[in-house]
Amino acid sequence: GEEVAQTPKHLVRGEGQKAKLYCAPIKGHSYVFWYQQVLKNEFKFLISFQNENVFDETGMPKERFSAKCLPNSPCSLEIQATKLEDSAVYFCASSQRTDTDTQYFGPGTRLTVL
Amino acid sequence: GENVEQHPSTLSVQEGDSAVIKCTYSDSASNYFPWYKQELGKGPQLIIDIRSNVGEKKDQRIAVTLNKTAKHFSLHITETQPEDSAVYFCAAGSHRGGSEKLVFGKGTKLTVNP
Repeated sequence: GEEVAQTPKHLVRGEGQKAKLYCAPIKGHSYVFWYQQVLKNEFKFLISFQNENVFDETGMPKERFSAKCLPNSPCSLEIQATKLEDSAVYFCASSQRTDTDTQYFGPGTRLTVL
Repeated sequence: GENVEQHPSTLSVQEGDSAVIKCTYSDSASNYFPWYKQELGKGPQLIIDIRSNVGEKKDQRIAVTLNKTAKHFSLHITETQPEDSAVYFCAAGSHRGGSEKLVFGKGTKLTVNP
């Protein structure tokens, strides 16, 4: 598609439950990025992929967060055993190539952990 | 790692006035500087970007300047309109180590009063 698609728009989970978010990059884009935006507007980089390969995972809290980009499937970000501080808007972005190319953002998934 | 400072955090102007938002970055390897506009409940939308081989770029009412020596870049919006009201984010990216992640400033909430 011509836009980055993210589902669901909103997700509510009880503390300790699992949350799974999905992202479909723009068709033809090879790079996918996940960012977390917390209440104070701050963006935190989580992980990036080049096609199905992890490109940079330096921002990922390894214990509970995992992500995948499999061929012919939307990319996913999964949080096991959610905590209150995981409440945030999670954005996916895609870019065409690696040469600091423009990143186009999706509409985000708002995760609320109760 | 990279750190991006953005000022001011809030900016209120009258319709028709100009608005200027300033950012500084710390990593001299950064070579890509996009600006995003985020409206309430939406994902960041790229409005203009500049690369380190250029000092200034203009697109209609929006311009960005870059001073690599001082490590700062600015967004200028002229003839502001109420629909320019949003949160604006600057960001910095580099190709260091193959990572293309963007590091964001904390945002400027711009209000254009009719």
